[in-house]
Amino acid sequence: LAKTTQPISMDSYEGQEVNITCSHNNIATNDYITWYQQFPSQGPRFIIQGYKTKVTNEVASLFIPADRKSSTLSLPRVSLSDTAVYYCLVGDGAGSNYKLTFGKGTLLTVNP
Amino acid sequence: DGGITQSPKYLFRKEGQNVTLSCEQNLNHDAMYWYRQDPGQGLRLIYYSQIVNDFQKGDIAEGYSVSREKKESFPLTVTSAQKNPTAFYLCASSIGFQGWQPQHFGDGTRLSIL
Repeated sequence: LAKTTQPISMDSYEGQEVNITCSHNNIATNDYITWYQQFPSQGPRFIIQGYKTKVTNEVASLFIPADRKSSTLSLPRVSLSDTAVYYCLVGDGAGSNYKLTFGKGTLLTVNP
Repeated sequence: DGGITQSPKYLFRKEGQNVTLSCEQNLNHDAMYWYRQDPGQGLRLIYYSQIVNDFQKGDIAEGYSVSREKKESFPLTVTSAQKNPTAFYLCASSIGFQGWQPQHFGDGTRLSIL
């Protein structure tokens, strides 16, 4: 079974770059790594997704090493509004054994 | 606007009662999911459906039931067999059941026991 591991919490200050790593030792060969952001009492929302190497969009970057057993979400110049829980999601297995597993989430607190 | 609607936002259940949480989507997605969220536990999958009239158990299906009679609807029933139902319940949908197809979430239903 896929097991995803993330730090429980991280602290940062406004303007800093934040990197959150997720370990996923059993990711399916053809599957992607997806990251979500969740604010209190809301559903998670999609941030970024990648298969290998580096992906960048307007809000974040995602770094994936060649072995794909981990990934790092990078948030450049965070602000107070980036305080949230961040989840990684990967799939493992194949066919009827395919399964999607969320990490337990990382609570990022951005301080002024 | 396309999206997922969960209702009600807050729900209270008496001991021994079944309650049904509503989830509707107008995104034309085939796959739908129900998750349970407890403090410090992240998202745990209860049931998922890849297509109409089909659904599979997730990691914590005991005490819950679902139906998928229409593409846009995936209601979750919390039965009296679920001994600890107090939690935040999230419904999601995606184009298909693959990790590379992002899930779209509703804003959840918070269930409490009276």
